Order: sequence, then structure tokens, then C-alpha cells
Amino acid sequence: GDSVTQMEGPVTLSEEAFLTINCTYTATGYPSLFWYVQYPGEGLQLLLKATKADDKGSNKGFEATYRKETTSFHLEKGSVQVSDSAVYFCALRHITGNQFYFGTGTSLTVIP
Amino acid sequence: GAVVSQHPSRVICKSGTSVKIECRSLDFQATTMFWYRQFPKQSLMLMATSNEGSKATYEQGVEKDKFLINHASLTLSTLTVTSAHPEDSSFYICSARVPGRSQETQYFGPGTRLLVL
Repeated sequence: GDSVTQMEGPVTLSEEAFLTINCTYTATGYPSLFWYVQYPGEGLQLLLKATKADDKGSNKGFEATYRKETTSFHLEKGSVQVSDSAVYFCALRHITGNQFYFGTGTSLTVIP
Repeated sequence: GAVVSQHPSRVICKSGTSVKIECRSLDFQATTMFWYRQFPKQSLMLMATSNEGSKATYEQGVEKDKFLINHASLTLSTLTVTSAHPEDSSFYICSARVPGRSQETQYFGPGTRLLVL
């Protein structure tokens, strides 16, 4: 069945460090891929998405590229800030149907 | 973006009792809401799809008599965990889809942490 695997946390980085959170998926066909972020006490918010192979989603300095050959959608940011501290979820969804498949989430803490 | 709230944010109850969790869309009407649960260090798993004015659609393996879902209005869906047991302890998250937007546009609540003693 469809599934998403993302790197386990927690991840702790110093401010301005480079961030990579790995995400790989298993799915039939061509799903859409997403990164959601959850700040403390808030709901999951869509961070970025990509709907087809080689698409790059970007937002707030974060980027992820839909790589069909490696079934990956790794999240990257060149210089993290303290305000980026949150839990990040990778997810996929097929065009048809309602169901999202989420990864387990990766907790990121950025220290000054 | 649209706001979805959940109440309570956390609840502790005794085994055998029932617990109701509310999910509200605060600034839009949601004909469809979704309920997820998350065990520690595991993925969010879709439990059911809640449609306003009709019966919920449950995912395979989810007991509909144990997890009662009511979507009585366009801004409120409730999940009732009946006769709760310690293994029901989990993090329950709802989401709501904005009508007329892509099916991918779902807004999530902050979640409710349930602990059954």
C-alpha cells in the first residue's frame, strides 16, 4: 500500500545552519507530495507541495523537489531560524480520493 | 488561511467512560471533515470522513460503533470515543476541506490528546 517514510528526529540545529529532512514514499501512479508544518499548539499547516515529477515546491525559504526516480521529496532550507522550530510532516495524496498518507513527523529545534 | 479548532486540547478519562471531541471550522463552512489519530512516533492515520448531514465513512479497521462521528452542522463535527480503554489513548486530529477548493486544500485542527487510565 501507499506509505511515507521520513527521517526520525528530533533534529537540533544552530541558527543559520543548513536543514535537510529526508522523505521517501511508496505509491502507485503519480501522487501529489506535500510538506506540512505544525508549530507548538497549532494545527498542521501546508508548507509546500508538488504535483508531478521534477516539480519543486517552495515557501518561506524551504524547498523540496519531486524525484520520481528516487521516490523522494526531501525538505531543505539553506539557513534556518529559531522561528522554524516545529514538527514537519511529509505526506502524499492521490488526485482521486480523500486520503492523505503522512510520515511520522520530524521535530526540529533551532537554537540561537 | 482558514482556522479549525478542536476542544478539548487534552483530556484524561477513566476506562469505560465516553469522551467527546469537537472539531469546528471557525471562518468557513465545511461540508467534509476528516478525523485522524496518531500514536507516538507513528504516522497520522485517517479514521473516517465526516460528511454534513449524512453518515460518516470509516476506514478499514476502524470500529464505527466505538468511534461515533456526528457532523450535524456545517461548522461542527464531533468524535465520541465510547467505552474508552487505555489502548484508545492517542492524539486525535481533525481537518476540514474548504468547499469549492481543491480536494488537497484541507485545514487541520491542533489536535486533542486523549489519555485513558
